[in-house]
Amino acid sequence: DTGVSQNPRHKITKRGQNVTFRCDPISEHNRLYWYRQTLGQGPEFLTYFQNEAQLEKSRLLSDRFSAERPKGSFSTLEIQRTEQGDSAMYLCASSSSGVSYEQYFGPGTRLTVT
Amino acid sequence: AQRVTQPEKLLSVFKGAPVELKCNYSYSGSPELFWYVQYSRQRLQLLLRHISRESIKGFTADLNKGETSFHLKKPFAQEEDSAMYYCALSPNTGGFKTIFGAGTRLFVKA
Repeated sequence: DTGVSQNPRHKITKRGQNVTFRCDPISEHNRLYWYRQTLGQGPEFLTYFQNEAQLEKSRLLSDRFSAERPKGSFSTLEIQRTEQGDSAMYLCASSSSGVSYEQYFGPGTRLTVT
Repeated sequence: AQRVTQPEKLLSVFKGAPVELKCNYSYSGSPELFWYVQYSRQRLQLLLRHISRESIKGFTADLNKGETSFHLKKPFAQEEDSAMYYCALSPNTGGFKTIFGAGTRLFVKA
């Protein structure tokens, strides 16, 4: 296992198009997180899964964003009707259960909306 | 409101000098605090967390609940310490939602 992987690494799309990103966590990790990071800012929490259940979702996440983790393994993040403001780095992280956990981050998917 | 503040965007020090990266937080309970680091062209990774009370790569951080601070310190900076450092907070109730500060870029000059 080489760690958390994300695909694609880069995505350029036109405004109004839909995009989907994939995250493959470390195999034994049952927790999975999505973050968004814009220039000059730290990662901003979007949503969190424990196994296949989406347990928390940021209030900042508009209805155009949806995330799934159908079998408790990989996850997808879809953005519908993209806007220029969606341009950012989308990060995925995973962790094991436990009282104190360490999140392992993927390399991110950089989205550019033109 | 839950918030993490890193007041310095950029910190530049000479090799061998002490370094302190500041972090202040706002949270009503007793959170868990972390420092994450991102070296050039690498992914974000955990540096240390307050409950482990470890020294990692010579860095330490003490949680000061009175001042709601979690500053990162190293007595003698090395060039390889140059990186982006993020302070982060998780609620101490299972800690699902992690809140990150905006980050401080540390540049260690030769």
